[in-house]
Amino acid sequence: NAGVTQTPKFQVLKTGQSMTLQCAQDMNHEYMSWYRQDPGMGLRLIHYSVGAGITDQGEVPNGYNVSRSTTEDFPLRLLSAAPSQTSVYFCASSYGLAGGSGELFFGEGSRLTVL
Amino acid sequence: AQSVTQPDIHITVSEGASLELRCNYSYGATPYLFWYVQSPGQGLQLLLKYFSGDTLVQGIKGFEAEFKRSQSSFNLRKPSVHWSDAAEYFCAVGGGSQGNLIFGKGTKLSVKP
Repeated sequence: NAGVTQTPKFQVLKTGQSMTLQCAQDMNHEYMSWYRQDPGMGLRLIHYSVGAGITDQGEVPNGYNVSRSTTEDFPLRLLSAAPSQTSVYFCASSYGLAGGSGELFFGEGSRLTVL
Repeated sequence: AQSVTQPDIHITVSEGASLELRCNYSYGATPYLFWYVQSPGQGLQLLLKYFSGDTLVQGIKGFEAEFKRSQSSFNLRKPSVHWSDAAEYFCAVGGGSQGNLIFGKGTKLSVKP
């Protein structure tokens, strides 16, 4: 099983550039989410979705957009990259709500550097 | 609001020694509690979870955790640590209206031979 697949694994951007981090899951999970991980900060929720067509903001949504047109895909868009967005990004999905009975399944992460 | 505190940023134990990683949470009702492990360069993997019932829960890789409501704690334990347990460990709390998980900042475990 592929599980949760993130692409690209590594990316270097210049300030002001835009890009999309891709996330796909093949487990038919309704819930999908994006986290960023920074040293000493743990994981912070950026955006999440409880089903196709439904998205909502997490703790740190500024500078990021998401959409959920299918159950499988949940891309994260950086509209105008800033050095503060240098981080490791994780996509995660679960069958039920992440904080309920659902276990979160994580991708392997995308390391983004903004110069 | 929900929150999770992991007081220890970095812990070093000798191989074969016992381990306890601390986690304290803040939540108004009975929480859903989780421990995840992250090996270097990898995503997170669920070790164990507590929803209700028996306050001592068993997980994978020989780990267990005990929910103590009176102390708002959910500490992770292992009786004998192996070198392969070196990783970063995250405690998380869920159960809020939005159904999201709130993670602690993590505890990095190093294992001495």
